[in-house]
Amino acid sequence: QSALTQPRSVSGSPGQSVTISCAGSSNDVGAYNYVSWYQQYPGKAPKLIIYEVIERPSGVPSRFSGSKSGNTASLAISGLQADDEADYYCSSYAGTYTGVFGTGTRVTVL
Amino acid sequence: EVQLVASGGGLVQPGRSLRLSCAASTFNFDGYAMHWVRQAPGRGLEWVSSISWNNGGIGYADSVKGRFTISRDNAKNSLYLQMSSLRPEDTALYYCAKDMNGIQTNAFDIWGQGTMVTVSS
Repeated sequence: QSALTQPRSVSGSPGQSVTISCAGSSNDVGAYNYVSWYQQYPGKAPKLIIYEVIERPSGVPSRFSGSKSGNTASLAISGLQADDEADYYCSSYAGTYTGVFGTGTRVTVL
Repeated sequence: EVQLVASGGGLVQPGRSLRLSCAASTFNFDGYAMHWVRQAPGRGLEWVSSISWNNGGIGYADSVKGRFTISRDNAKNSLYLQMSSLRPEDTALYYCAKDMNGIQTNAFDIWGQGTMVTVSS
């Protein structure tokens, strides 16, 4: 159960696009289409923004999109806005009723 | 409003035990898998444990296996985490979270507010 690997930080100017990678293994990200992404503001509980690799919950803007290739999943944020500045975590089902989170990425809007 | 309220945290000495509870309201609790997720101060999220809708599937992180026990009472709309042999590295904010499905898919769509556990002498 090693944590999924994410970049520590990414940044972009308002209106630009950023992508966050989430590197796992053939036992988690590569094995299941159960990858999800969460947005967390300081002092707040995480919020689900992507599930099952590409699906968005109701109310989440289409600026957020997910994808997966092999053992690596990605979250793309287009049209970056000031309130996108937060921590983002990926998560994957890892078999036998277990799960794993990514190391987390701080998104900074310049 | 769909809600999860976690409770039971506190200050506990190393080696002692603690039981966390999570009360669910306004959703069909017995239809969904449930999870515990923790976050140490200033650190990232760590998946701790999960239980399927009917108690048929239970999983634990290696870091807590053999020390923590997850359970649920669907009649009481409640989720529990019995923690024993606590260590300083178990210090964290513990969140309960609802899965979008009856079996574990690790899509946590509803989160509680968290309950803080501090393990220190």
